[in-house]
Amino acid sequence: AQKVTQAQTEISVVEKEDVTLDCVYETRDTTYYLFWYKQPPSGELVFLIRRNSFDEQNEISGRYSWNFQKSTSSFNFTITASQVVDSAVYFCALSYLFSSGSARQLTFGSGTQLTVLP
Amino acid sequence: EAGVTQFPSHSVIEKGQTVTLRCDPISGHDNLYWYRRVMGKEIKFLLHFVKESKQDESGMPNNRFLAERTGGTYSTLKVQPAELEDSGVYFCASSQERGFGNSPLHFGNGTRLTVT
Repeated sequence: AQKVTQAQTEISVVEKEDVTLDCVYETRDTTYYLFWYKQPPSGELVFLIRRNSFDEQNEISGRYSWNFQKSTSSFNFTITASQVVDSAVYFCALSYLFSSGSARQLTFGSGTQLTVLP
Repeated sequence: EAGVTQFPSHSVIEKGQTVTLRCDPISGHDNLYWYRRVMGKEIKFLLHFVKESKQDESGMPNNRFLAERTGGTYSTLKVQPAELEDSGVYFCASSQERGFGNSPLHFGNGTRLTVT
């Protein structure tokens, strides 16, 4: 069975602070995808990143960075110099990856509400 | 390119009533998924269509929920009769490839359902 845990229910930071959102996953699968989605107040789920289990390289995209560590089953997300517009609910998710390249449905964590105060 | 659209955005109904949610996927996307988030918990998978066929409906909670995708275009999710525990946000998503490939899963804005 797959499980994704986002232990931080709510986080508040002041603008320009750095913030890290934690994600810990459980899976018996050896091949899988990990995702982060953002849900702003408008409601839609916005795709941020997908990583596969073969690639443990960390990734940086502007103020966003992701730290994937297979040894600790974690896929943490850091926002550098946070801004008010970063306020949203952030979801981490996991999907099994078949050898054919197709994937099973997503298993989501419960989300972390990030509030960035001006 | 228009995104995934869901209608209505909000629905408030009484226990025992029927509600139908609609999802229009991105044009050309054969794969359509329904997910829901209940009471601020995790988002959970409900079912997956490939064109008009149900590929996986293992997440459907019970037989009060009926999903259809006639013609392989838009999909509807009917709840009949609605119960209090059905309240939550229902998301629809679509993708061109089942394996996500180079395209991620595109989600709609969701329908917030409140059963009173």
